[in-house]
Amino acid sequence: ETGVTQSPTHLIKTRGQQVTLRCSSQSGHNTVSWYQQALGQGPQFIFQYYREEENGRGNFPPRFSGLQFPNYSSELNVNALELDDSALYLCASSSHSLAGADTQYFGPGTRLTVL
Amino acid sequence: AQKVTQAQTEISVVEKEDVTLDCVYETRDTTYYLFWYKQPPSGELVFLIRRNSFDEQNEISGRYSWNFQKSTSSFNFTITASQVVDSAVYFCALSEINAGNMLTFGGGTRLMVKP
Repeated sequence: ETGVTQSPTHLIKTRGQQVTLRCSSQSGHNTVSWYQQALGQGPQFIFQYYREEENGRGNFPPRFSGLQFPNYSSELNVNALELDDSALYLCASSSHSLAGADTQYFGPGTRLTVL
Repeated sequence: AQKVTQAQTEISVVEKEDVTLDCVYETRDTTYYLFWYKQPPSGELVFLIRRNSFDEQNEISGRYSWNFQKSTSSFNFTITASQVVDSAVYFCALSEINAGNMLTFGGGTRLMVKP
């Protein structure tokens, strides 16, 4: 196990609702990244947080937003849910390094179903 | 733009067979990192290996080995004497140093090892 935890495990919402997913990073890690994995596909990068600020964003609309807290835990918020938002949401923690890409360790994911 | 291609969507082998999972990547950066992750049915991505673009040495870890060839932009993964527990989806991923710590994943290869 990586030490990265996510909650909840599963979630069912209806179209138009809002959802908040949570992630606790591995001890010693200060960076959190979020990914969306649709069924049968590879994960897609949503955004990354470092020092409580967004530190990179993938091709996702503004209704996907996030937060990072002083203890390095993070939230992913999605507003105005659409059917296509149904996916496994993965959180990954890592150490921030100017030298290059540090290994990201993933949590178990939150399975979101939008009806 | 960075891209990772895993042409094999699904592979089925019988236990004890050797199997190679292919990964081809595209990047304009000279400094980048390559990763392999395993995703069992539980959903959590398990880190297997990280390689930087300056280290072309092949690596072996138990039954796992990786072949990195910059000339063909490939980073292939071989499992020797496969076991049923190796059944999972395997993802190859790329991170460019100029893109922060964002991972770009391939579409994954589903490996089924039959007893």
